[in-house]
Amino acid sequence: GAGVSQSPSNKVTEKGKDVELRCDPISGHTALYWYRQSLGQGLEFLIYFQGNSAPDKSGLPSDRFSAERTGGSVSTLTIQRTQQEDSAVYLCASSQSGQQATNEKLFFGSGTQLSVL
Amino acid sequence: GDSVTQMEGPVTLSEEAFLTINCTYTATGYPSLFWYVQYPGEGLQLLLKATKADDKGSNKGFEATYRKETTSFHLEKGSVQVSDSAVYFCALSPGGTSYGKLTFGQGTILTVHP
Repeated sequence: GAGVSQSPSNKVTEKGKDVELRCDPISGHTALYWYRQSLGQGLEFLIYFQGNSAPDKSGLPSDRFSAERTGGSVSTLTIQRTQQEDSAVYLCASSQSGQQATNEKLFFGSGTQLSVL
Repeated sequence: GDSVTQMEGPVTLSEEAFLTINCTYTATGYPSLFWYVQYPGEGLQLLLKATKADDKGSNKGFEATYRKETTSFHLEKGSVQVSDSAVYFCALSPGGTSYGKLTFGQGTILTVHP
């Protein structure tokens, strides 16, 4: 596609429910990243995919958070048993290779605003 | 670990004023440095970057110079416009295979009045 697409744009859920957030990266981009933007913590890295593998999951805040990527394309971030502190904007980004290079650049989606009531 | 500290905002300026947003960092190795901008209702966009000491990144009249001796990457613009109103984030990358694993500053809200 023309850009990184995320869905839904807004999600309201009740505490304790599971949610799935979707990211469609730019076609051909092998690297995919999830970030979280919250008032208290700012912008935080969550997880990095290279193809379908996740070599860096160091930013996932708890075992309630998981993510997968299939076909080297679409990624889903799942939050189980949501808590109020999970309320944030979840951003997805993709880049051509994930390696440092002159033209390597992250393209961000518009994010999913998650509200846990 | 790596960290980025930005000057606290918000910053309010009149059109054509000079802008400086301070950014300092702590990192091991040889990080790359970035400024990202988030316009109202839009996603994060790369504004400029510098990959080694003394490099100057520039775009849309904005500039920032990678100063290793002061561990800084301050953003400047000589004459701001109303359309520059946005949130600005300083960020660093450890580089290599972790190039996209960015550490961000807390963001600075800039409002420019006519």
